[in-house]
Amino acid sequence: DTAVSQTPKYLVTQMGNDKSIKCEQNLGHDTMYWYKQDSKKFLKIMFSYNNKELIINETVPNRFSPKSPDKAHLNLHINSLELGDSAVYFCASSQALGYNEQFFGPGTRLTVL
Amino acid sequence: GNSVTQMEGPVTLSEEAFLTINCTYTATGYPSLFWYVQYPGEGLQLLLKATKADDKGSNKGFEATYRKETTSFHLEKGSVQVSDSAVYFCALSRLPHSGNTGKLIFGQGTTLQVKP
Repeated sequence: DTAVSQTPKYLVTQMGNDKSIKCEQNLGHDTMYWYKQDSKKFLKIMFSYNNKELIINETVPNRFSPKSPDKAHLNLHINSLELGDSAVYFCASSQALGYNEQFFGPGTRLTVL
Repeated sequence: GNSVTQMEGPVTLSEEAFLTINCTYTATGYPSLFWYVQYPGEGLQLLLKATKADDKGSNKGFEATYRKETTSFHLEKGSVQVSDSAVYFCALSRLPHSGNTGKLIFGQGTTLQVKP
């Protein structure tokens, strides 16, 4: 059973389009995260939700809007995609906010042409 | 602010060689420290962790000791295998309180290539 799953795995799209990435965790965790990994493998947190409440928003452009319909899901919607948005996006979850271990999804590779 | 610095990669070793990947951190208070590993095409997995000074985390032959005096958490393995080839990330987290959000702060990652 996949603990943290993301769809799609690959996403290729044109500049200016709007796209969504979905994330689901079946671990019963309270906290979920979105990270962005750039071409140099650098990882930076974007958002964190705890019990569906936004906790972290790391100066991410307004074009990025996370949505958490329930504790098990955290989706990422991106409007007006730009070339610089090309990256791998990872979803993660942890038992509680600040809890030691975060479990990561397999990533979504977004390519903006 | 809080930050993590890792040694530059890539690190290229022959099988059975000794591995050290250096990691130092800057943080106020007492962070928890982690090593995560990312195998090609996959997400990150927790490799080991330490939550207080002098703790040693260990897993799959890897070890790291939380050294508060040198603010370091170096990763070591006595004999690497080809299957250890991956990107290794050092990270820290502070428990959420007084405005801390408990987020993970990562180093820049170190690529390890092990040749047969």
